[in-house]
Amino acid sequence: TQLLEQSPQFLSIQEGENLTVYCNSSSVFSSLQWYRQEPGEGPVLLVTVVTGGEVKKLKRLTFQFGDARKDSSLHITAAQPGDTGLYLCAGRGNTPLVFGKGTRLSVIA
Amino acid sequence: DAGITQSPRHKVTETGTPVTLRCHQTENHRYMYWYRQDPGHGLRLIHYSYGVKDTDKGEVSDGYSVSRSKTEDFLLTLESATSSQTSVYFCAISRDTYQPQHFGDGTRLSIL
Repeated sequence: TQLLEQSPQFLSIQEGENLTVYCNSSSVFSSLQWYRQEPGEGPVLLVTVVTGGEVKKLKRLTFQFGDARKDSSLHITAAQPGDTGLYLCAGRGNTPLVFGKGTRLSVIA
Repeated sequence: DAGITQSPRHKVTETGTPVTLRCHQTENHRYMYWYRQDPGHGLRLIHYSYGVKDTDKGEVSDGYSVSRSKTEDFLLTLESATSSQTSVYFCAISRDTYQPQHFGDGTRLSIL
């Protein structure tokens, strides 16, 4: 069974701070996706990374796929209250998608 | 936003009753999925479909059945609901198994 471990589970920071969320596995994934979910809604795709070592930027969010395609990170620069939400990583291996349990981020103004 | 509609959005029912949740898509995507989301467990795959009448089990399929008689509709049935099936259920769609999934807004199901 392929598993994805996310850390930290919970993160509460002040507006303007930087943060990094990690997604780790002992399994290799062909691709990895990051989603953000807000209360009462379904997850929304932020990015897909496919190549080992790949880095993608989405405004203040930077996503990296590990060289061995077993891990990924999400870095947010100068966090804003609008970044508050549940961040989920999901890996595509030999099953449709495996999701991590998520990191719940709260950005306080 | 991807055209995905889940119904009902909220439901309260009693243990032992049958429950059917519906997912309707207007995107003509081949793949459709049912997940449940619970605190401490994240999103877990129940069943998925890769075409009309083609379905397969996910990680937590016991107690659930699915049917897909049309491309646009994917039904999730709890034949005899139990309190352990209280959860938020999400439907998702994708063009193929390698493409990102697009999610509906969920159904909150409470079984008393």
